[in-house]
Amino acid sequence: SQTIHQWPATLVQPVGSPLSLECTVEGTSNPNLYWYRQAAGRGLQLLFYSVGIGQISSEVPQNLSASRPQDRQFILSSKKLLLSDSGFYLCAWGQGAEQFFGPGTRLTVL
Amino acid sequence: EDKVVQSPLSLVVHEGDTVTLNCSYEVTNFRSLLWYKQEKKAPTFLFMLTSSGIEKKSGRLSSILDKKELFSILNITATQTGDSAIYLCAVERNSGGSNYKLTFGKGTLLTVNP
Repeated sequence: SQTIHQWPATLVQPVGSPLSLECTVEGTSNPNLYWYRQAAGRGLQLLFYSVGIGQISSEVPQNLSASRPQDRQFILSSKKLLLSDSGFYLCAWGQGAEQFFGPGTRLTVL
Repeated sequence: EDKVVQSPLSLVVHEGDTVTLNCSYEVTNFRSLLWYKQEKKAPTFLFMLTSSGIEKKSGRLSSILDKKELFSILNITATQTGDSAIYLCAVERNSGGSNYKLTFGKGTLLTVNP
């Protein structure tokens, strides 16, 4: 069966510091991978998606970037965090319309 | 721009009540509509609907899609405290190839009191 992992579960970072969140998927090959952000009181906003290694599409202009160095690994990064980057970050995988979500990372930027 | 609007934003009921959650959408080249349940962390998949008028059912939960009026409802009968969660609606646009992008609504926060 497929599983999806994210780490860390929670993170508190100062403004201006770098960020690296990692997501890995097991039990499937060549999945579509997605990064979402969920701010308080709002729905999920798609940040990035990837249909293959090295292929990244950005949905909204922002302070973040994504990379997919391996088939089942998806990384969300920032060189300098802003206060507005705080939120709940969810990674998801899918091979069709259904997407399956990881446990998320709660990021607080102070 | 694709749009998904869920109502109500929040709802408080007592155990045993029946609830109906609403989702209306505007999307170019609609392909499917999905419902998710989010408790503390990761949303979990409930239903995917592609055709009008065909009810999907799983236990006490059921959902139906109206592609003419551009909305879907999620019904929960005989609610239990374990049904307390945020219910998210998402629509998928047909953008060709293997791209499956979802646009989510803000969700309905359901609280079921004992």
